[in-house]
Amino acid sequence: AQSVSQHNHHVILSEAASRELGCNYSYGGTVNLFWYVQYPGQHLQLLLKYFSGDPLVKGIKGFEAEFIKSKFSFNLRKPSVQWSDTAEYFCAVMVTDSWGKLQFGAGTQVVVTP
Amino acid sequence: DSGVTQTPKHLITATGQRVTLRCSPRSGDLSVYWYQQSLDQGLQFLIQYYNGEERAKGNILERFSAQQFPDLHSELNLSSLELGDSALYFCASSAGAGAGTGELFFGEGSRLTVL
Repeated sequence: AQSVSQHNHHVILSEAASRELGCNYSYGGTVNLFWYVQYPGQHLQLLLKYFSGDPLVKGIKGFEAEFIKSKFSFNLRKPSVQWSDTAEYFCAVMVTDSWGKLQFGAGTQVVVTP
Repeated sequence: DSGVTQTPKHLITATGQRVTLRCSPRSGDLSVYWYQQSLDQGLQFLIQYYNGEERAKGNILERFSAQQFPDLHSELNLSSLELGDSALYFCASSAGAGAGTGELFFGEGSRLTVL
């Protein structure tokens, strides 16, 4: 079955730490890949997206993600997290023949402590 | 502000009742998507409309229905409500659909509590 897997459900980090959030998908065709962030009590906001081209994608707020086609992965990272990065992070896949719907992973809750 | 407007923000109702959630997409966007977010199921795609027509269906219960009107706003109707329908319902919009779809823009959600 088609799916999106996020490896960590809860991550606790200290400020200035670095961490990679894993995302793997199981679609065989061409996909567009996204990371969305949901701050407490807010709506989903786009962090970054990959459609084609350079597999290393830079997004807002210092986040970046690397698409590794051979591993069906699209991992998110940030060199130095801040307390304001406390949020839930969702990886999402859009199969390009799917009329644009997004399939989301389960999300990773990230807590950054001062 | 994403430009997607959802009403109501909060709704409390009883089992067996029916509610309607409303979504206004970003200006110019033709596609509207409905998602359900619950603690146990995560973010689940329910249904998509493009320019008034249903385009894709996900894990939407038969008790739920949706439509997109000529002005492109959409409504999600939830009937015979059960406790398990308590969730945050998100609407999203995008300019197009299919291979040319860019990012989806999400509204702030409608939190439904069924007592």
